[in-house]
This record gives sequence, structure tokens and C-alpha cells, in this order.
Amino acid sequence: AQKITQTQPGMFVQEKEAVTLDCTYDTSDPSYGLFWYKQPSSGEMIFLIYQGSYDQQNATEGRYSLNFQKARKSANLVISASQLGDSAMYFCAILINTGTASKLTFGTGTRLQVTL
Amino acid sequence: DGGITQSPKYLFRKEGQNVTLSCEQNLNHDAMYWYRQDPGQGLRLIYYSQIVNDFQKGDIAEGYSVSREKKESFPLTVTSAQKNPTAFYLCASSIIGGVEPQHFGDGTRLSIL
Repeated sequence: AQKITQTQPGMFVQEKEAVTLDCTYDTSDPSYGLFWYKQPSSGEMIFLIYQGSYDQQNATEGRYSLNFQKARKSANLVISASQLGDSAMYFCAILINTGTASKLTFGTGTRLQVTL
Repeated sequence: DGGITQSPKYLFRKEGQNVTLSCEQNLNHDAMYWYRQDPGQGLRLIYYSQIVNDFQKGDIAEGYSVSREKKESFPLTVTSAQKNPTAFYLCASSIIGGVEPQHFGDGTRLSIL
């Protein structure tokens, strides 16, 4: 079975600063994908960034980057130049594709609060 | 605009009553999923379907039922057997295979009267 661990229930960051949200994972499958989603207070899940287990380079999407350390089984999200609109819950998830099913397993999330 | 529509946004259930949550997608995705989210928790998989007329149980299927009669639609019924149904329910869809992200609807918040 797969498992995602997010050890930071809440984080604060000042506007315009960078912040790192931690995520570690556990799986015995050699092929997997790691995702980060943002959930504002309105509830929808917004896809932010993806990293494949065989990708050699860390993924980046605008102000989001994923610090992927495969040997340590970590996939931390880095948000640069934080904005007030970044205040939300952030979830890390792992996808295993068995060929007959593609299942996402989520962590418990980190609540990020951006302050002035 | 392609997307996933969940309705209603808020739903109230009386004791002993079955209620059905709607999920429709126009993304032409083969796979659809239902998740439950409790306060302070991540999402847990209830049911998923990879093809019309077929679906599989997820991690917490007890007290729930689904159908997949059309590719676009994947309704979830919360039965009276689900003793603690108060939660936020999210529907998602994706293509099958590869590592494409799942796309989510805006969710339905279910409460007990």
C-alpha cells in the first residue's frame, strides 16, 4: 500500500517570501507519480505540479517547484514569492497506475497562511 | 468550457434516508472517482470507475453505492447504512493510464439534520 506523510499541519509565511511544504512517501512500486494540489476555503482541488518517478529533473510550474529526492522518498513543494492568495490547504498525493486502475493516495495536508 | 459539475453544493439528510450526489463531466474522461474529506483530513477514495457499467470499491465503500450508466455521469448514493455521512464529497475524473492529474469538481457538503 502507498502512504503519504505531511508532517506540517500549519505553516506561516510572509508575503513575497519563499516557503517549503514537506512531503514524504512510501511505496514499493518503481513507477509512480507525485502530485501537489491546492484547496482554497471554497473547497475545490486545484492541480499545481507533477513529478514522475523516472524524471531526472525537478518539476517547475511558475512559482511552484518540486524538490524531488528519490532516495529519501521526499517530494517537497517550494512556493516562491508568496502571495496572499496562496493561503490554502496543500495536499501531496501519490499515483500508482496498475494498468487496470489509477489510484491517488493523499496526505493529510498542510494549511498555509500568508501574512503581510 | 470543459469541467466537472457536482450538485447540489449543500445537502441535508434525515436519519434513515438515502441521498444521491450528482457528478457530471464533459472532459471525455474514461475514469471517474468519488472521495470523502473529513475536517483536517486528506481525501479518501470511496468508489472509482474506469469504464461504463463497471466500478470498483475504494478504501471506504461501506454505506455507499454508485452507478456508471453513462460515460459522463457517476452519481454517488449515501445510504442509511452510512452512520457518519457528514463530510465534504469530491468527484474527480481522469484519462486512464499515464500520469495525468485528476480533475476535481467543486464538491458537495453533506450534513445530517
